[in-house]
Amino acid sequence: EAGVVQSPRYKIIEKKQPVAFWCNPISGHNTLYWYRQNLGQGPELLIRYENEEAVDDSQLPKDRFSAERLKGVDSTLKIQPAELGDSAVYLCASSLTDGGYTFGSGTRLTVV
Amino acid sequence: QKEVEQDPGPLSVPEGAIVSLNCTYSNSAFQYFMWYRQYSRKGPELLMYTYSSGNKEDGRFTAQVDKSSKYISLFIRDSQPSDSATYLCAMSFTGGGNKLTFGTGTQLKVEL
Repeated sequence: EAGVVQSPRYKIIEKKQPVAFWCNPISGHNTLYWYRQNLGQGPELLIRYENEEAVDDSQLPKDRFSAERLKGVDSTLKIQPAELGDSAVYLCASSLTDGGYTFGSGTRLTVV
Repeated sequence: QKEVEQDPGPLSVPEGAIVSLNCTYSNSAFQYFMWYRQYSRKGPELLMYTYSSGNKEDGRFTAQVDKSSKYISLFIRDSQPSDSATYLCAMSFTGGGNKLTFGTGTQLKVEL
């Protein structure tokens, strides 16, 4: 069975440009998470979905970040416009409700 | 002050050594304690999971939790070069929406 699939693996963009990341969770996992991992730091939660509903987006910078999980499966995280400080690894994870996580390999974003 | 503190290392040990990795935390609500291993350019993968205080052993790995001291440890016996990775402690609590709070990670290198 495929794990959590993320694309692209790497992205380099100029500041003020938009960028989007895509995540396909493990089949049957109803909970999906987006985490951001800055260099030398642990991951920090941006948003959590239960099926298609965003149930915790308190840490998502809503002025420039948006996310969606249509049909409760795949998810997209968008940044518009990107800032230099957004350079990080964006990790997607999925789980059954209150279950253990499986993380994807992440998208490494560099904003120049 | 961060909720979870972890010595970032780097930690370099010879093959076969016993490795001790530690985290302290401030939120007494944490009940579930995990250790993740993260190889370079990969997402974190769950290594050990412990509920409340006590010890748990799995092969060469032992996790310890001391809730009275708000201190958790991971011991690796007979360390191997393949153990070279970043080790992240993570914690959560019932009612927390399965959100994980991570330490900064300790970078470990096991040398031949």
